Amino acid sequence: DAGVIQSPRHEVTEMGQEVTLRCKPISGHNSLFWYRQTMMRGLELLIYFNNNVPIDDSGMPEDRFSAKMPNASFSTLKIQPSEPRDSAVYFCASSLTSGTTGELFFGEGSRLTVL
Amino acid sequence: QQQVKQSPQSLIVQKGGISIINCAYENTAFDYFPWYQQFPGKGPALLIAIRPDVSEKKEGRFTISFNKSAKQFSLHIMDSQPGDSATYFCAARDSNYQLIWGAGTKLIIKP
Repeated sequence: DAGVIQSPRHEVTEMGQEVTLRCKPISGHNSLFWYRQTMMRGLELLIYFNNNVPIDDSGMPEDRFSAKMPNASFSTLKIQPSEPRDSAVYFCASSLTSGTTGELFFGEGSRLTVL
Repeated sequence: QQQVKQSPQSLIVQKGGISIINCAYENTAFDYFPWYQQFPGKGPALLIAIRPDVSEKKEGRFTISFNKSAKQFSLHIMDSQPGDSATYFCAARDSNYQLIWGAGTKLIIKP
């Protein structure tokens, strides 16, 4: 079975550019999470969706960040405009049950470098 | 109250030794305590988890010990192997069903 699929795996961009990260959750999973990982701040939950509806976006750093889940098999995280402090590894995770009552399955991450 | 404090930040253990990672919390409403293992270039993956109604859970060489009164839980890796070298995260689930993560422990097993 395919796991959570993220793209791109690596992205290098210049400050001010728009960045779009993509995620395909595991089929049948109804919760999707976007996390950011840095050495300084560890794992931070940015936003999570349940049945394609955003439930908690309190972790989204600022208005430059937005996330969508147009259907059960696809989600995007967009940063516009990007800044060097956005450099991090962004993980998407999905779960079979609502909230985090079940195991989180993480993708391999998208490493973003903003110059 | 929402924090999970994890220690140590890094740990070096000889092959065959016991690796111990500790976590502490304050919020007594936490009701589920998973440990995730992360290898370089990969996402975290669930290793083992425990609920507060039991004091210990063992899966192979991995054991969680849970002390409800002290609000502490720990991961023990017996007979540690080089393949166990990874970053380990403890977490706790709050009343909103969200995971609160520890800062992570980078474990290195020396052959």
